[in-house]
Amino acid sequence: VLTQSPDFQSVSPKEKVTITCRASQSIGNSLHWYQQKPDQSPKLIMKFASQSISGVPSRFSGSGSGTDFTLTINSPEPEDAATYFCHQSSSLPLTFGGGTKVEIK
Amino acid sequence: QLQLQESGPGLAKPSETLSLTCSVSGDSLSRSTYYWDWIRQSPGKGLEWIGTMYSGGNTYTNLSLKSRASISVDTSKNQFSLELRSVTAADTAVYHCARHSARGWQGDLEYWGRGILVTVSS
Repeated sequence: VLTQSPDFQSVSPKEKVTITCRASQSIGNSLHWYQQKPDQSPKLIMKFASQSISGVPSRFSGSGSGTDFTLTINSPEPEDAATYFCHQSSSLPLTFGGGTKVEIK
Repeated sequence: QLQLQESGPGLAKPSETLSLTCSVSGDSLSRSTYYWDWIRQSPGKGLEWIGTMYSGGNTYTNLSLKSRASISVDTSKNQFSLELRSVTAADTAVYHCARHSARGWQGDLEYWGRGILVTVSS
């Protein structure tokens, strides 16, 4: 089970977005993050906890291993308003976090 | 650039079998070394993994679906399909097909289709 928090976060562009994902058992670094905007499919923004994805802005970073993981967005831009999901690929069934909706004031 | 496109009926009746297809362009399923998935998304349950397949033969489905789901591939059409039997209103969701990156099903989901909304209602 992946427990994601918070469910909702509202920040100004000068603040930092911090989203956490906690696994019920150790999953090593098999944790990935996706961004989803309304009426769009999820987009991969971070893989294996901290590996960056080509084309994703450097303000996105990830950390963690084992059971606790964090996605951070430094100085978020208006286009970062979206819902963010974590996903574990350590074991089957693959599972996802419940999502965090991010609003940029 | 890889593209995935879901197709199928947008409406199904309770107890029927739902059949969806994912058309793949930009990769060949017959030569692919990747795993291909079905994932659904509903307001009440968020993202739920349905299953994954490797065109060489391995298929895994989520046991929470109680053996109602099966995934198959048609390499001649470069498509893979989902069958979900005995559907109920709880199966109402947007259904996405997706492809993992390297490392089999243990990798990230690099590509996603836009999804197709399926409503189960009489």
